[in-house]
Amino acid sequence: AQRVTQPEKLLSVFKGAPVELKCNYSYSGSPELFWYVQYSRQRLQLLLRHISRESIKGFTADLNKGETSFHLKKPFAQEEDSAMYYCALSSNNAGNMLTFGGGTRLMVKP
Amino acid sequence: GAGVSQSPRYKVTKRGQDVALRCDPISGHVSLYWYRQALGQGPEFLTYFNYEAQQDKSGLPNDRFSAERPEGSISTLTIQRTEQRDSAMYRCASSLAAGPYEQYFGPGTRLTVT
Repeated sequence: AQRVTQPEKLLSVFKGAPVELKCNYSYSGSPELFWYVQYSRQRLQLLLRHISRESIKGFTADLNKGETSFHLKKPFAQEEDSAMYYCALSSNNAGNMLTFGGGTRLMVKP
Repeated sequence: GAGVSQSPRYKVTKRGQDVALRCDPISGHVSLYWYRQALGQGPEFLTYFNYEAQQDKSGLPNDRFSAERPEGSISTLTIQRTEQRDSAMYRCASSLAAGPYEQYFGPGTRLTVT
C-alpha cells in the first residue's frame, strides 16, 4: 500500500529564513510526487510536481528514491508563503488518484 | 474560465438523514475524483470516474456511500443514513484526462452531521 508521511504538523519560521517541509513516502513502484498548497480561504491547488522539475514561487523539491523523500524547500521564506502544504503521491496504475500526507501548516512570521 | 464548483458549500444535517453533494467539473475534463478530508488530516481518496464510468470505488468507506456521474459531467456523491463520523470536508477534483494530469480542486463541501 502507498503511504505519505509529513512528520511536522506545524512549521514556524521568520521571514527570510530557509524553509524545508519534509515528506516521506512508501510505494513499491515508480511514484509521481506532488506538493499541493492551500492558502487561507482558497482551494487546494498544485504547487509543483517532481517530473516537471520546475521552481514555483521559489520552491523546489527533489525526489530522493534512496531515502523515499520529496522534501519541499525555499531558501528565503516570505509572509505570503504562509499556508497549508500537502505532499501527495500518485501511482500510474491506480487511475492517478492521489494519496496525501497529513499536511504541514507553514507560518512565516514578520 | 470557470473552475470546479461544488454545492452546497456547507451542509448541516441530522443523523440518519440522506445527503447529496454535487460536483461540477471543468468543462471537457474527463476524469473526476472525490476525496474526503477529516479535520487535521489530509484528503483521502473515495472514488473516481472517467467520463460516466466509475473506475475505482475502493475508497468508499461503506455501502452508505455511493457516487454517480450519469452524463459524464456533473457528479453526485450520496451518503445515506448519515452518521456523526461522516462529518468532514468533501472535495471534488477534475483533470483533463486519465493520466498524469493536474487535478483541479473545487472549494469543497463542509458536511456536519449532528
